[in-house]
Amino acid sequence: GQQLNQSPQSMFIQEGEDVSMNCTSSSIFNTWLWYKQDPGEGPVLLIALYKAGELTSNGRLTAQFGITRKDSFLNISASIPSDVGIYFCAGGSGAGSYQLTFGKGTKLSVIP
Amino acid sequence: NAGVTQTPKFRILKIGQSMTLQCTQDMNHNYMYWYRQDPGMGLKLIYYSVGAGITDKGEVPNGYNVSRSTTEDFPLRLELAAPSQTSVYFCASDTGPGELFFGEGSRLTVL
Repeated sequence: GQQLNQSPQSMFIQEGEDVSMNCTSSSIFNTWLWYKQDPGEGPVLLIALYKAGELTSNGRLTAQFGITRKDSFLNISASIPSDVGIYFCAGGSGAGSYQLTFGKGTKLSVIP
Repeated sequence: NAGVTQTPKFRILKIGQSMTLQCTQDMNHNYMYWYRQDPGMGLKLIYYSVGAGITDKGEVPNGYNVSRSTTEDFPLRLELAAPSQTSVYFCASDTGPGELFFGEGSRLTVL
């Protein structure tokens, strides 16, 4: 099946720093999505991308759909303690969510 | 706003026991899903449903069964629990591709 390589696996950053994480694949995807999971909770959708080259922001978060359709990145600017959690990318290969492939996640820790 | 509600939140089972994880959504979504999440891994799709009366297998369906008698409910049945089914289970629903709404999860341990 399709696989996503999400990196880094984990990162420790100082409060106020910017963060960058990415997902790559050998397969082409039609959609890219980024979710955040707080400890003990279910994932929550942060940003959805539907077009190659698309750059979308949601507050301090910015995500891009790679032009080759095989990658996506997520940036967080000026990190704060509540940014702590696991960030998952997901690539969609068809019209349904049952065709999503999830990355293994990037665990973010923010040092106050 | 309840969204997607899962019960129970925690459960310990003995090998060979059976149980049902309940999932209810109040958003009138047609599509519902069951995922499992193992430590350090992404979400793996177990089963999904595109509407009442219609279900289909996902990536890891073995050892599980589902039913969808109403739009709101999508229970996941574990028959003959095995240690490999120790995991956190998430139910989700959506109306559009990829824009999933997840429940809070059900943590299952099989001993």
